[in-house]
Amino acid sequence: GAVVSQHPSWVICKSGTSVKIECRSLDFQATTMFWYRQFPKQSLMLMATSNEGSKATYEQGVEKDKFLINHASLTLSTLTVTSAHPEDSSFYICSAPRRNMNTEAFFGQGTRLTVV
Amino acid sequence: SQQGEEDPQALSIQEGENATMNCSYKTSINNLQWYRQNSGRGLVHLILIRSNEREKHSGRLRVTLDTSKKSSSLLITASRAADTASYFCATGDSWGKLQFGAGTQVVVTP
Repeated sequence: GAVVSQHPSWVICKSGTSVKIECRSLDFQATTMFWYRQFPKQSLMLMATSNEGSKATYEQGVEKDKFLINHASLTLSTLTVTSAHPEDSSFYICSAPRRNMNTEAFFGQGTRLTVV
Repeated sequence: SQQGEEDPQALSIQEGENATMNCSYKTSINNLQWYRQNSGRGLVHLILIRSNEREKHSGRLRVTLDTSKKSSSLLITASRAADTASYFCATGDSWGKLQFGAGTQVVVTP
């Protein structure tokens, strides 16, 4: 069945480096994907909407130059955390809505990023 | 931004008891969904209720939705230790975008 595959599931990187997280839709095309972030012991916050073939839409307070989103194909969206700092350490998770918006979305497995 | 609030923030019960948590939201919605998250893990979808529905059941789960009060509740009956997790409500719009509540941390002791 259709699923969303997210990689890596966890990553540790040094401060100042960049990290790319991939979100792939398997067996279906996703013109839109959503990226969420969850800090420890907090809820999930929508970061941005990734649109195939066009610029992403960022939520208020999310730096678009720091969190680069690319949705170059109908099955792949990537989130790159540039010049990562310890405060970027978080759980990042993507989702792709189904064609019927009144059914549950497909979520990736999530990526735990730790910046040291 | 978060759509609304959940209460209680934390709930501690014994196995066999029922657990009820509530969610309030602010804007109009397409649907409301409940998710479970075990510590440090991904999301597990539990149930979706559409804006024109008032109640829905799935196994030991019962969800209600009151659009006039902009609130929903999740009831877990006959809880088990394996139900220990964080539970989040999320409101969905017509584009599939979700706004999550603050979450309720449930601990079920044997």
